[in-house]
Amino acid sequence: KAGVTQTPRYLIKTRGQQVTLSCSPISGHRSVSWYQQTPGQGLQFLFEYFSETQRNKGNFPGRFSGRQFSNSRSEMNVSTLELGDSALYLCASSHDRVGGELFFGEGSRLTVL
Amino acid sequence: QQPVQSPQAVILREGEDAVINCSSSKALYSVHWYRQKHGEAPVFLMILLKGGEQKGHEKISASFNEKKQQSSLYLTASQLSYSGTYFCGTPGSGNTPLVFGKGTRLSVIA
Repeated sequence: KAGVTQTPRYLIKTRGQQVTLSCSPISGHRSVSWYQQTPGQGLQFLFEYFSETQRNKGNFPGRFSGRQFSNSRSEMNVSTLELGDSALYLCASSHDRVGGELFFGEGSRLTVL
Repeated sequence: QQPVQSPQAVILREGEDAVINCSSSKALYSVHWYRQKHGEAPVFLMILLKGGEQKGHEKISASFNEKKQQSSLYLTASQLSYSGTYFCGTPGSGNTPLVFGKGTRLSVIA
């Protein structure tokens, strides 16, 4: 069974640009969550999608957005990039059982110059 | 609200035991534990449920304190492969996904 796949794995952008990251969940998983990981803050929740609907959103500015497609694949977009957006962006999928296990992808490492 | 983990980092020799704590300002009804090795994805270790039921790794166990505002993860007879950053995650309010602590970096040396 294939795991969670994230693309691209690495990318470099400059301030003001925008970026789109993609996540393909494990087959059969309908819930996809996104987390931002930085050395100082750990894993910060961005948002969660279930059946193409955003179900929860973390405390991030509106520059961060996402969506989920009918096949459960998800994308997140960050517009008007800032230096502080440099981070590892992790996607996790789950069966959507309450308290269920999250399966993480290896992440997309974004560097903003 | 983000749980607080302690210690921030710990170094062990092979075979030694370790305890990692995860504290919250409110009573916990479940705690999830994940381990992330350098350059890899976080991997599920276990879930500790409010009744003390545990699901997950065989050689790792966890418990709640009396008020269920702290969970401790016990790593016994540590191996080199235990090295990594350990995160605890607690459900947010309502049905929100996990809120993770900042992590505890564990290094096991020979």
